[in-house]
Amino acid sequence: GQNIDQPTEMTATEGAIVQINCTYQTSGFNGLFWYQQHAGEAPTFLSYNVLDGLEEKGRFSSFLSRSKGYSYLLLKELQMKDSASYLCAVEDSNYQLIWGAGTKLIIKP
Amino acid sequence: IAGITQAPTSQILAAGRRMTLRCTQDMRHNAMYWYRQDLGLGLRLIHYSNTAGTTGKGEVPDGYSVSRANTDDFPLTLASAVPSQTSVYFCASSEAGLAGSNEQFFGPGTRLTVL
Repeated sequence: GQNIDQPTEMTATEGAIVQINCTYQTSGFNGLFWYQQHAGEAPTFLSYNVLDGLEEKGRFSSFLSRSKGYSYLLLKELQMKDSASYLCAVEDSNYQLIWGAGTKLIIKP
Repeated sequence: IAGITQAPTSQILAAGRRMTLRCTQDMRHNAMYWYRQDLGLGLRLIHYSNTAGTTGKGEVPDGYSVSRANTDDFPLTLASAVPSQTSVYFCASSEAGLAGSNEQFFGPGTRLTVL
């Protein structure tokens, strides 16, 4: 079966760093996506990894290890507006996205 | 530039009624998707279309149908709504459809309640 696991909820402090993990087992792998979703809104694209290693984009970075079936999203210098759900999704062998349930990130002052 | 629009924004529907959720994109993307999102679950794919004139079944297609007569529009129809179809429905599109970085762009969603 296909499975994407991520923590249900995390709490962090404004200005700090937080790492959101994602592990996956899918039929094939063509890339891994991270999306941000604010409450009541649509998901929006954050990052894409297809090769092992770290991709950095401003305050956000995403890491991938294909051999371990593992990724993380790293958020630095947290701001209150970063309070949202973060969705991990894997593109499988059929080029469809398999989605995790999302991690709700709560930022405290 | 609107991107992807969905209508209606929200709807309360009696069980047994027929309902069509509309989705239109102006990005000339080849692929379009319908997802439902329920609390505690990830986005689940209902139906997809890799290009105009073709459609395919996703993870949870039962009770839903779609059509793709042209590039821009991808309506989702519930033939006879049931309470378990209460959910938030997102339409999405992507340029590639079959290969490459399949970044998907999402519409604002339709909140559907079936009583």
